[in-house]
Amino acid sequence: QKEVEQNSGPLSVPEGAIASLNCTYSDRGSQSFFWYRQYSGKSPELIMSIYSNGDKEDGRFTAQLNKASQYVSLLIRDSQPSDSATYLCAAERKDSSYKLIFGSGTRLLVRP
Amino acid sequence: SAVISQKPSRDICQRGTSLTIQCQVDSQVTMMFWYRQQPGQSLTLIATANQGSEATYESGFVIDKFPISRPNLTFSTLTVSNMSPEDSSIYLCSAKDATNEKLFFGSGTQLSVL
Repeated sequence: QKEVEQNSGPLSVPEGAIASLNCTYSDRGSQSFFWYRQYSGKSPELIMSIYSNGDKEDGRFTAQLNKASQYVSLLIRDSQPSDSATYLCAAERKDSSYKLIFGSGTRLLVRP
Repeated sequence: SAVISQKPSRDICQRGTSLTIQCQVDSQVTMMFWYRQQPGQSLTLIATANQGSEATYESGFVIDKFPISRPNLTFSTLTVSNMSPEDSSIYLCSAKDATNEKLFFGSGTQLSVL
């Protein structure tokens, strides 16, 4: 079992719709979670972080965390073609390592 | 957020040679890491670069193949030694910003081994 799992997609949504990206993790010691966006040929860019159960909103993005279910999600409202990218979920252990483990990423395609 | 400069941005190398990748951060950081991203894959952590001491390697990565230095808080190098075509990948330097503890990435080094 991978430590962080994501559906590889592609997830295709029409412009203006809500895109929902999901992630599960296996390590209950994980305490911080991150969503990165990666355009083709570019390095990952941090878009959201979430540390406690519930929702966290930032503009068109909402991250959701449920530690009991070991589940993290990212909602993108009013999706734009420029949101088309691969979205990487990452989990961080708060032990001495502080390292992030990444999922395989979900490719999102927003159709004009 | 921290700005991370990484060079070279790309290189084409011959089998059996070595390449050193440099990473410079423009602000205070706590941790520095090196990741590899193979074509169509996600990021795999190679090692944590420790200031002034030996790096901490992940399973499957060894110091002889991927020696890492971090002589000060804001600079690190990764060497890919005795390269083979299987080492063709993108290598990414990353650092945790000391002000917000978030992880940022350099622009990456695209390595092709012939």
